[in-house]
Amino acid sequence: DVKVTQSSRYLVKRTGEKVFLECVQDMDHENMFWYRQDPGLGLRLIYFSYDVKMKEKGDIPEGYSVSREKKERFSLILESASTNQTSMYLCASSSGLGGELFFGEGSRLTVL
Amino acid sequence: QKEVEQDPGPLSVPEGAIVSLNCTYSNSAFQYFMWYRQYSRKGPELLMYTYSSGNKEDGRFTAQVDKSSKYISLFIRDSQPSDSATYLCAMSIYNFNKFYFGSGTKLNVKP
Repeated sequence: DVKVTQSSRYLVKRTGEKVFLECVQDMDHENMFWYRQDPGLGLRLIYFSYDVKMKEKGDIPEGYSVSREKKERFSLILESASTNQTSMYLCASSSGLGGELFFGEGSRLTVL
Repeated sequence: QKEVEQDPGPLSVPEGAIVSLNCTYSNSAFQYFMWYRQYSRKGPELLMYTYSSGNKEDGRFTAQVDKSSKYISLFIRDSQPSDSATYLCAMSIYNFNKFYFGSGTKLNVKP
């Protein structure tokens, strides 16, 4: 079975702090994604990566950056957390064009 | 107009009922269709993946795709309280790394 692992399930941070969310997949997938999920707004794409060191902005990249130094690992960085970044963050991976998309368990971030 | 429309529910059914969940879409280029189950405070779990019109069955779940009507369905037979969750549909276009999601339908199966 494909496994997408997000390192932190629940985080509480203060406004202005730098936040790292880590994601690892074990199926050698080329593509990895970061989404946020909010009630009434559904899933929104923040960034995705189609190869090591390659990234593309999604629909809501402002306030976020990403890093993909190894194929299996994709990190989401909040340089200076703000309260409007309180959300559920979901990492996902897929094998390529037309492939299935698999999600991690999610990281629920609260910014105070 | 959203690319993928899904009734948010909630949908409440008695245990043992057949459940029908649906999504409509506007882009005829969509070729790959997925259904996810998401429990509260968890990530979406992939239930079904199809890439053609017709039916695909897996246990109590059947996914149906009608490309001519731009309509997909997920049927759950003999529904159980453990099926209570939010169900998301998703679709994608070949050659694009983008997935389009419905807003999710919340299902409650009463014992």
